[in-house]
Amino acid sequence: ETGVTQSPTHLIKTRGQQVTLRCSSQSGHNTVSWYQQALGQGPQFIFQYYREEENGRGNFPPRFSGLQFPNYSSELNVNALELDDSALYLCASSLDRTYEQFFGPGTRLTVL
Amino acid sequence: QKEVEQNSGPLSVPEGAIASLNCTYSDRGSQSFFWYRQYSGKSPELIMFIYSNGDKEDGRFTAQLNKASQYVSLLIRDSQPSDSATYLCAVNMEGDNDMRFGAGTRLTVKP
Repeated sequence: ETGVTQSPTHLIKTRGQQVTLRCSSQSGHNTVSWYQQALGQGPQFIFQYYREEENGRGNFPPRFSGLQFPNYSSELNVNALELDDSALYLCASSLDRTYEQFFGPGTRLTVL
Repeated sequence: QKEVEQNSGPLSVPEGAIASLNCTYSDRGSQSFFWYRQYSGKSPELIMFIYSNGDKEDGRFTAQLNKASQYVSLLIRDSQPSDSATYLCAVNMEGDNDMRFGAGTRLTVKP
């Protein structure tokens, strides 16, 4: 059984740039949720994808967008990067939108 | 008022002792409750989940839920230095796709 993987591991961008983060869900899982975790804070829910459709969104602006592919892997896109976007971005996969979800190792994004 | 509150710690216990981690939540509609462990620089790892009032035991871990008082706790028996980590409480409402996390409690188990 393959676990959740994310790429890249680390990323450095400058303000105003755009970034794409990738996530491959655990084998057999059809739901991917994305979270932002700032230093010293708990993860904050960005959005969830289930069977290629957005299935709920947290309190994040539209410049955070995503998609899910037929193989249930997912991308998170962030446009017009701001300094406050610097964080650990986590994806978590689960089966059929349950919250027994398993996290990937995360992507550390630094915006300068 | 924060939706999910945890004492940030650090909570320090000697090896072999019981560590008690607490979490309160504000939304009475909350249905599902989760405990995650997060080692420094790593991603959260699911330890336990609980849906019903009462206790749920899994090895050295016991989750306790009291919906009337809106708190959930995690007990770690026979604490080991390898249990030193940040413990995150997460709460979800039925029909809501937003999993809400507390800021975590940092636990240190001293040999």
